Amino acid sequence: GGIITQTPKFLIGQEGQKLTLKCQQNFNHDTMYWYRQDSGKGLRLIYYSITENDLQKGDLSEGYDASREKKSSFSLTVTSAQKNEMAVFLCASRDRGSAETLYFGSGTRLTVL
Amino acid sequence: QQQVRQSPQSLTVWEGGTTVLTCSYEDSTFNYFPWYQQFPGEGPALLISILSVSDKKEDGRFTTFFNKREKKLSLHIIDSQPGDSATYFCAASVAGGSAKLIFGEGTKLTVSS
Repeated sequence: GGIITQTPKFLIGQEGQKLTLKCQQNFNHDTMYWYRQDSGKGLRLIYYSITENDLQKGDLSEGYDASREKKSSFSLTVTSAQKNEMAVFLCASRDRGSAETLYFGSGTRLTVL
Repeated sequence: QQQVRQSPQSLTVWEGGTTVLTCSYEDSTFNYFPWYQQFPGEGPALLISILSVSDKKEDGRFTTFFNKREKKLSLHIIDSQPGDSATYFCAASVAGGSAKLIFGEGTKLTVSS
């Protein structure tokens, strides 16, 4: 088994601030994802990475940057925090092989003051 | 644009009753349809999944049905239990394809005893 660790669990920032969320996985999975969860809107894909140093934009990438420095870690940066993007950010990973299952972390809750 | 639509947004059923959640999708290339279950404070976890070559998959009290012609799927939970109270997401992707998994808006289920 493995685990996905997201840090911090709670992140409070000021409007306009640059904020970074981190994700580590020990599954040795190739593909990693960042999703944003808003109540009533489900999970929306921000960025994903098929392998180390790869980055693919999702439907919600504007206002965010991502970085996949090594296989086990994937970070997400909110370039200029806005009050309307208070949400839970979920990191997930998946094996590139035939298994399609995504494994999720427990999330980072972002509050913008 | 929401490629996967889910209903209802919330649902309350009595303990022992049958829960039915539904989803529809637009992209006819989607062929893999998982359902994820999320408890408060946790990330979603895979509950059950179906490929488009099948029309039904069962796992204990949980059954998912797939209708390719209508581009619809459903999740049935028989003998619903208070421990089933959670948010349920349907999702869709192309198996073995771009690795992009698109989620519905979610249904918050409450099972009352």
